[in-house]
Amino acid sequence: AQTVTQSQPEMSVQEAETVTLSCTYDTSESDYYLFWYKQPPSRQMILVIRQEAYKQQNATENRFSVNFQKAAKSFSLKISDSQLGDAAMYFCAYRSHNTGNQFYFGTGTSLTVIP
Amino acid sequence: GAVVSQHPSWVICKSGTSVKIECRSLDFQATTMFWYRQFPKQSLMLMATSNEGSKATYEQGVEKDKFLINHASLTLSTLTVTSAHPEDSSFYICSARGQYKEAFFGQGTRLTVV
Repeated sequence: AQTVTQSQPEMSVQEAETVTLSCTYDTSESDYYLFWYKQPPSRQMILVIRQEAYKQQNATENRFSVNFQKAAKSFSLKISDSQLGDAAMYFCAYRSHNTGNQFYFGTGTSLTVIP
Repeated sequence: GAVVSQHPSWVICKSGTSVKIECRSLDFQATTMFWYRQFPKQSLMLMATSNEGSKATYEQGVEKDKFLINHASLTLSTLTVTSAHPEDSSFYICSARGQYKEAFFGQGTRLTVV
């Protein structure tokens, strides 16, 4: 099974600053999807950003961008101009394109935003 | 965007009783639904995957007779915790995937067994 590793259990960032959350994964597949989900205190899981492995261009959604390094199997999330509402647990997730629907989640990074 | 509604948001039940949790995709057809369990400050643990009209596929260690999953339609899946015990108290989350690449999540259900 694929594994997803988030090596930072907790991170903090000053409001308006930039923070990068790390994620690495292990797979033998060439075609897959990677995701970052946010889980605020309400515990509702919210999709932040998605990356298709066949695309070389890094995905961007407003203040959120990723650094996708396929060869290194790395998928980091950069949050620019951090806001108080960004405080949450962030989960990195992997899904195969070909072999079923299962999502594999990392252990999460708890992000604190300091006013 | 795609919306998944999970009900109830929280439930308290007596030990030995059964509890049903519903997961509905409101604006798309969910060919696959997933049920997760999440302990405090931990990641989501996949319990089972269900495809519409088929029996659910349970992850290793998950008791299929205790956690009954039904996915009878393209918009509804249910998880029934049978003969609940205090150790079943947890946060349960469903997610659904249809034609989209990503899965969309319900709001979660906090189950407390007393």
